[in-house]
This record gives sequence, C-alpha cells and structure tokens, in this order.
Amino acid sequence: QSVLTQPPSVSGAPGQRVTISCTGSSSNIGARYDIHWYQQVPGTAPKLLIYENTNRPSGVPDRFSASKSGTSASLAITGLQAEDEADYYCQSFDNSLSGWVFGGGTKLTVL
Amino acid sequence: EVQLEESGGGLVNPGGSLRLSCAASGFDFSVYSMNWVRQAPGKGLEWVSCISSGSHYVYYADSVKGRFTISRDNAKNSLYLQMNSVRVEDTALYYCARGPRGIAVAASGYFDPWGQGTLVTVSS
Repeated sequence: QSVLTQPPSVSGAPGQRVTISCTGSSSNIGARYDIHWYQQVPGTAPKLLIYENTNRPSGVPDRFSASKSGTSASLAITGLQAEDEADYYCQSFDNSLSGWVFGGGTKLTVL
Repeated sequence: EVQLEESGGGLVNPGGSLRLSCAASGFDFSVYSMNWVRQAPGKGLEWVSCISSGSHYVYYADSVKGRFTISRDNAKNSLYLQMNSVRVEDTALYYCARGPRGIAVAASGYFDPWGQGTLVTVSS
C-alpha cells in the first residue's frame, strides 16, 4: 500500500486529454512538500517529467502539465500520443516516515 | 552528458551480502545528494536510501534500516550500497538517482537523472 495513492490505470485515444491523480495526506503533500512526476517507458529507467509541482524540465513537451492543491496533485496530458504510453509516478517527502515516497504508479494506455 | 551507471548486482542467497556501486560522470558529483531507489519485478518505485553531498547525513527506508549502508567516495565520483542480511523481498532492480545540490538534503528534492539500474536477485 503506497503512501501516495494513484489510480492503477488510465486510458485515452490519440489526441484526447487524460489526468492522473495523486492523493496524499497531511504528512506529505498536505505538509507542503513539493510533488514531482516521473515517466517510465517499459524496460527503461524513470525520467523526470515534472518537478516542484508544476515545472517541466527542458525537453518535456508542454502537453504535460501538473497542479497541486491541499493533499492532492494531478498530472494532465493533452493531445495524447502513442509515445506517451508508459507508467507515471508521483513522488514527495513524508515527514512521519522521514523519507521520500512514491505513488503506486499509473499505467497509461493510448487506445 | 550527465550519466549514472550502476553495477554489482547479481544472485545472492537469503542472509547474504552484496555491494552495489554507481559511477557518476558529467557533473560535479561532490555537491549533490545521491539516492538509491528500487523496483521489484512488475512493481512500483520504492526509495531506499539517501546520502548528502559530504556524507554528513544519511537516510534509510524502514524496510532496509539496520541492514543496508549507503556511502560515497567523492574523489572517485562513486556511490555505494552495502546490502547485508538480504531477504527475498529485496529482489529488485536498484537505481542510482541524483538528488538536489547542496550540503544538506532538501526534503522537497527530486531525483534526476537516473541510471539504468542493476538487478539484485535474492534466492536460494
């Protein structure tokens, strides 16, 4: 059971918009620790997708965006493309565990 | 180019030991915190351990505390994970990942980049 809760899977057709939620608690997201998002294409290492809640590293398309509010965060992907099919993870810090935590991951399927 | 390359994985018996290494290149290794993150087969990501840039601060997940030891050699641009008393549930792909820059470790830090991982299999 992950400290940060994500839906196991989401799907969408090419061109559509999907969102992935990440729900935490008062000891992580609610404690104002930043949320970061990673994309992991099957068979490869995770790649930083969004850092510090809303920021995209250089090279990440602006089709990817994220937000944070209260004890939750979400990742939005617009204009879905086949290459977006991957696992997505949210990550933060938890002060009750004194360590970094990940969501359980969400598998995105592009139909 | 910033690169991280893990090595040292393999098959180990339950209760045995293994030492993982991560060779860093393309950046000033000595000013960044470093992390180990693992991924069991078919499962999600689990943070394992973190060490500050100067080795003054170390952190462990409860699941490995007392069994694993993180260390680094800034002169060799290398990160290590000594794994003792390993268990079947330690079987995973172990990634080395760079944390934030700074003397202390920023709680709100992120991991970037990641190495390709080294596979540890604990089985008799």
